[in-house]
Amino acid sequence: GQQVMQIPQYQHVQEGEDFTTYCNSSTTLSNIQWYKQRPGGHPVFLIQLVKSGEVKKQKRLTFQFGEAKKNSSLHITATQTTDVGTYFCAGPRSGSRLTFGEGTQLTVNP
Amino acid sequence: NAGVMQNPRHLVRRRGQEARLRCSPMKGHSHVYWYRQLPEEGLKFMVYLQKENIIDESGMPKERFSAEFPKEGPSILRIQQVVRGDSAAYFCASSPVHFQLAGTGVNEQFFGPGTRLTVL
Repeated sequence: GQQVMQIPQYQHVQEGEDFTTYCNSSTTLSNIQWYKQRPGGHPVFLIQLVKSGEVKKQKRLTFQFGEAKKNSSLHITATQTTDVGTYFCAGPRSGSRLTFGEGTQLTVNP
Repeated sequence: NAGVMQNPRHLVRRRGQEARLRCSPMKGHSHVYWYRQLPEEGLKFMVYLQKENIIDESGMPKERFSAEFPKEGPSILRIQQVVRGDSAAYFCASSPVHFQLAGTGVNEQFFGPGTRLTVL
């Protein structure tokens, strides 16, 4: 069945450094969503990418969807302590499932 | 506009007891999804419901787990005869339109705060 894999599982950075998490699907995705979950919190929607090769920016966050629509990345420029949390990608699966990756847990040292 | 509400936020049960988790979707949302999250892990899909209908329960364990979304009232996730392995955070999410029907429009899911279930 469809799998969505994320790497790395953990990332520790110094404040001000950049951060990137990668998401790979075993099948082509019609779209991909990204969510952020703060420690002890719940997932919050960040963005959805639909088009092949699409790039979207939200302030210091840059999201990319691969040309083959099987991979995606989230890049944060100059991390801040407020960026701490776990970032999940999610892709629709056949039927009604939204398949989430395992997430990348980001910690930022001040 | 209140967000997705879940209660209780924390639930402690002894092995063999029943756990009932409630979810009230956002106003105007008729699609509800339940997910389970083990510590340090991702979100695992359990079940997708619309009012009075279970659409997809392929992620739900075959035994002890059931879900409903009645015409009136919240969606309920019920776990009978809980075991220690059921300890997890259970999140409910809602959307106004099923994401695969939304075309290229943004079709995010709105998550509730979760219920943290601890089985002693």
